[in-house]
Amino acid sequence: NAGVTQTPKFRVLKTGQSMTLLCAQDMNHEYMYWYRQDPGMGLRLIHYSVGEGTTAKGEVPDGYNVSRLKKQNFLLGLESAAPSQTSVYFCASSFGLAADTQYFGPGTRLTVL
Amino acid sequence: GQQVMQIPQYQHVQEGEDFTTYCNSSTTLSNIQWYKQRPGGHPVFLIQLVKSGEVKKQKRLTFQFGEAKKNSSLHITATQTTDVGTYFCAGPRSGGSNYKLTFGKGTLLTVNP
Repeated sequence: NAGVTQTPKFRVLKTGQSMTLLCAQDMNHEYMYWYRQDPGMGLRLIHYSVGEGTTAKGEVPDGYNVSRLKKQNFLLGLESAAPSQTSVYFCASSFGLAADTQYFGPGTRLTVL
Repeated sequence: GQQVMQIPQYQHVQEGEDFTTYCNSSTTLSNIQWYKQRPGGHPVFLIQLVKSGEVKKQKRLTFQFGEAKKNSSLHITATQTTDVGTYFCAGPRSGGSNYKLTFGKGTLLTVNP
């Protein structure tokens, strides 16, 4: 099993460009999450999904959109990238409840110029 | 909102010295999880504590959950260079949506060989 995978690993964007980050998991997990990690800020939840076809906002959702069309995939979109979105983005998944372990992908390092 | 505070933010030790990081929540937690992130890597689950006053050990690592279930600690005995990384605690968010975790900002441990 590959676990949680993320593509791409690195990306450089210009301000105003758009892009989509892809997260895929092969563990049949119901819940999926997108976090951003900035120095000194820890992990902050952007959006999450509790099942196929559902999405919800986390603590820092502005400027991002998500979709969960298939259970195994969770997409994070930036419609008009801004320098403030320069960060490392992690996707995670868990089987069900908050008591469950979250499994993280390797991350995507995004730079917005 | 719910906050999870970790101290210290940074800790540098000589190899062989002990290390402790502390986690405090503003609300009572149903459980607490600990994750480790190696430099350049992604968070990896270490352990989960559920019971009040619970103590668990993993080799040189000792995890404690406070009696009031509002604080926790991770103690490493005789640190090694392989212990380098950021240690995060995380607890389920209060107020219904139990599948989201609030992460502390982490403690970065560096070890001088």
